[in-house]
Amino acid sequence: AQKITQTQPGMFVQEKEAVTLDCTYDTSDPSYGLFWYKQPSSGEMIFLIYQGSYDQQNATEGRYSLNFQKARKSANLVISASQLGDSAMYFCAMRGRSYQLTFGKGTKLSVIP
Amino acid sequence: NAGVTQTPKFRVLKTGQSMTLLCAQDMNHEYMYWYRQDPGMGLRLIHYSVGEGTTAKGEVPDGYNVSRLKKQNFLLGLESAAPSQTSVYFCASSYEIRTSGTYTDTQYFGPGTRLTVL
Repeated sequence: AQKITQTQPGMFVQEKEAVTLDCTYDTSDPSYGLFWYKQPSSGEMIFLIYQGSYDQQNATEGRYSLNFQKARKSANLVISASQLGDSAMYFCAMRGRSYQLTFGKGTKLSVIP
Repeated sequence: NAGVTQTPKFRVLKTGQSMTLLCAQDMNHEYMYWYRQDPGMGLRLIHYSVGEGTTAKGEVPDGYNVSRLKKQNFLLGLESAAPSQTSVYFCASSYEIRTSGTYTDTQYFGPGTRLTVL
C-alpha cells in the first residue's frame, strides 16, 4: 500500500520569499513517481512537477523545485520568490505499479503581501 | 485543444436519484480516471480505465459504475445517489511513459463537478 503524508495543514509566506512544503511517502514498490499539484480556490487541479524514483537529480520547473531525499522518503516542494497567485492548496501524490495516484491531504499556502 | 472537460459543473440530486457524469479528453490519452475529493482530503480514486472497453475498480468504487465505450469519453454513473456521495468529482487522463523503469505518466485533470445529494 502507498501512503503520502503532508504534515502542514497551512503555511504562510511573505511575498518574494521562498517556501518549502513537506511531503513524506511510503511504498513497497521499487520504482515510483512523485507529483505535486496545485489547487487554487477556483478548484481545478494543476500539475506542477514530477520526480522519478530513479532520477539522480532533483526536478525543477521554473520557480518550483522538488527536494527529493530517497533515503528519508521525502519529496518536498520548494517555491522560490513567492507570488500572490501562489496562494492555493498544494497536494503531493505518488504513482507506483498500480495506476492509481495516491494523494496526501494537502497544504494550504497563503502568500502575504 | 480543450484538454479534459467535464459535464455538468454542478448538480443537486435527491437521495435515490440517478445520474451520469461525462468526461471527455482530446489528447488521445489511453488512460482515464475518476476521483472524488471530500473536504480536508486529497483525491481518492473511484474507477479507472486503461483503454477503450476496459474499466477497473479504484480505492472507493462502491455505489458507482463506469463505462468507456469510446477512447475519448469516460462516464461515471450513480444508480441510486446517497448523501455520502456528496463530493467534488474529478476526471483525469494520461498516457503511460516508462523511463528508466519509472512510471512517468502525468495525469491531467478536468475542472471538476460539484455534486450535492440531499
